[in-house]
This record gives sequence, structure tokens and C-alpha cells, in this order.
Amino acid sequence: AQKVTQAQTEISVVEKEDVTLDCVYETRDTTYYLFWYKQPPSGELVFLIRRNSFDEQNEISGRYSWNFQKSASSFNFTITASQVVDSAVYFCALTGQNTGNQFYFGTGTSLTVIP
Amino acid sequence: EPEVTQTPSHQVTQMGQEVILRCVPISNHLYFYWYRQILGQKVEFLVSFYNNEISEKSEIFDDQFSVERPDGSNFTLKIRSTKLEDSAMYFCASRPLAGPSYEQYFGPGTRLTVT
Repeated sequence: AQKVTQAQTEISVVEKEDVTLDCVYETRDTTYYLFWYKQPPSGELVFLIRRNSFDEQNEISGRYSWNFQKSASSFNFTITASQVVDSAVYFCALTGQNTGNQFYFGTGTSLTVIP
Repeated sequence: EPEVTQTPSHQVTQMGQEVILRCVPISNHLYFYWYRQILGQKVEFLVSFYNNEISEKSEIFDDQFSVERPDGSNFTLKIRSTKLEDSAMYFCASRPLAGPSYEQYFGPGTRLTVT
């Protein structure tokens, strides 16, 4: 079964603090892809990052970074020096080669950055 | 940059009425999807569509729902007799036939309110 778990329902941080959003997944696919999306109050889904199951190299892109640990089935996302505009709901999502390519979303983590 | 568009952005309808949500996928994409997000909940897969037929559907996608690609550009979701519980944000997504990471491109969503 495909499943994405985001155990953190809500997080509040003070501006300029770093914050890490957790994501744990389950899949039977050997080739799969993981994503993070941001959903601001306006409601659209904004693509942030994507990772392939065969590439465990972690990267940094501006204030965003991610930590993909395949052995632990985790794909955590970090925002450094958080800003008020980062306040949104963040969704982790999973899709795979044998899942019909539908996305499986986690329940989301609501991040509030306090000025 | 090409993007998925959806109309209307917000639709209000009375219970029992039929609604059609419209989407224009990215022009060279061949897989199309509808997802639903009830307020405060996660994004859920409804249906995928390829080569003019449904390729996969979830248990949410019952006989009240139908999808169609009436021409070369539009992709529609019809709800025949809306219920209060159909109130949600509906996202359309598309992807190319062959993509390096099966990324789906999401539209901005249509917020459906059933009264």
C-alpha cells in the first residue's frame, strides 16, 4: 500500500528560526518519487521540490533543503531562516511507477511563522 | 511557462444540481487527473484519464461523477446531483506521456460550495 504520514499537524515558529517538516512514507514500488507542495491560504498547490527514489543525495535550494533517508522511508523538508510568507500548509506526496501514477498526499502540516 | 488552468475559480450550487468543472491541461500532456480536497483535509485522488478513457479511479469516484475530454484542450469533471459533502476544492492535474519523474502539474483549483 502507498501511504504518506505527516505526524506534525501544526507548527509555529518565530521568524528567522529554522523549521523541519517531517514526512514518512510507505510504498511497494522500487521506483518512486517524492514531492513537497505548499498550499498558501489562497488554496493553490505550489510545487516546491521533487526527489527520485534512486537519488539519495540531499540538496539545498535557497532557503529550502531536504533530507531523504531511504532506509528510514523519510523525506523531511527544512526551511531555514523562516519568513512570515512561509506560513502555509505543506504537503508531502508520493507517486510511483506501479501506482497508476496517482499522487498520495499526506495530511499536511500547517506552518505558522510568527513575526 | 505553460500551466494548467481551471474554471471557474469558485462555484456555488444548490444541492441536487449538476455542476461541470473545467480544466485546460498543458497542451502536450496526455495524462489527466482530478483530485479533491475537503476543507482542512488532505488532497485525495479521484480519477486519472488517458487515451480518452478512465485509467484508474478511487472509491470516491462513484456514479455521480464523470469525466470527459470533449475536445483537444478541455478536460471536465461533472457531478450529476451534488450533495453537501461534495463541497471541496477540486484540482485538475496533467503530465506528459513520458516524464523523468512522473511529476504532475496542478491547476489552481475550483472551490465548489454546495448549499
